[in-house]
Amino acid sequence: SQTIHQWPATLVQPVGSPLSLECTVEGTSNPNLYWYRQAAGRGLQLLFYSVGIGQISSEVPQNLSASRPQDRQFILSSKKLLLSDSGFYLCAWSLTAAGYTFGSGTRLTVV
Amino acid sequence: AQSVTQLDSHVSVSEGTPVLLRCNYSSSYSPSLFWYVQHPNKGLQLLLKYTSAATLVKGINGFEAEFKKSETSFHLTKPSAHMSDAAEYFCVYILRGSQGNLIFGKGTKLSVKP
Repeated sequence: SQTIHQWPATLVQPVGSPLSLECTVEGTSNPNLYWYRQAAGRGLQLLFYSVGIGQISSEVPQNLSASRPQDRQFILSSKKLLLSDSGFYLCAWSLTAAGYTFGSGTRLTVV
Repeated sequence: AQSVTQLDSHVSVSEGTPVLLRCNYSSSYSPSLFWYVQHPNKGLQLLLKYTSAATLVKGINGFEAEFKKSETSFHLTKPSAHMSDAAEYFCVYILRGSQGNLIFGKGTKLSVKP
């Protein structure tokens, strides 16, 4: 069966420090992968999506970047965190537009 | 423009009573609509989805939703609330032809009183 792993679950980082959040998918091949951010009191905002290895599309210009070094691995990074980067980050995968499966999320607090 | 409106930010019910979480959509096309549930500091779990098949959709944990085109609604219901249903619920619309561009409602927080 397909599973999606996302870590860490919580993270507290100082302003200006780097960030690396990792997401891996098991049980499927060539999935579409996504990073979303959920700010307090809001719905989810799509940050990046990837349809294949090395293919990254950015939806929102910001302080973050994404990479897909392997078919089932998706990484969200930043060189220098800002206070505004705080939020709940969710990774998701899909094969079709009819279904998205989300990871358990990472609560990032930038202090 | 496509949009999703969840009419209540907070709903409180007693255990064993019915649940109604309201969602209206605005779309020029026949939409794909979903309900997701999110427990505190957890990811999103798919409850059910409508993709232009049967208008009454049954999901997990006893939830169901009815797609009503004439009312542009996709309300989520459950006959009898359980304490474990306390969570935040999101109505979600998938933008046709988009890649991952899910349009989320702002969420409805469901509280269940004993």
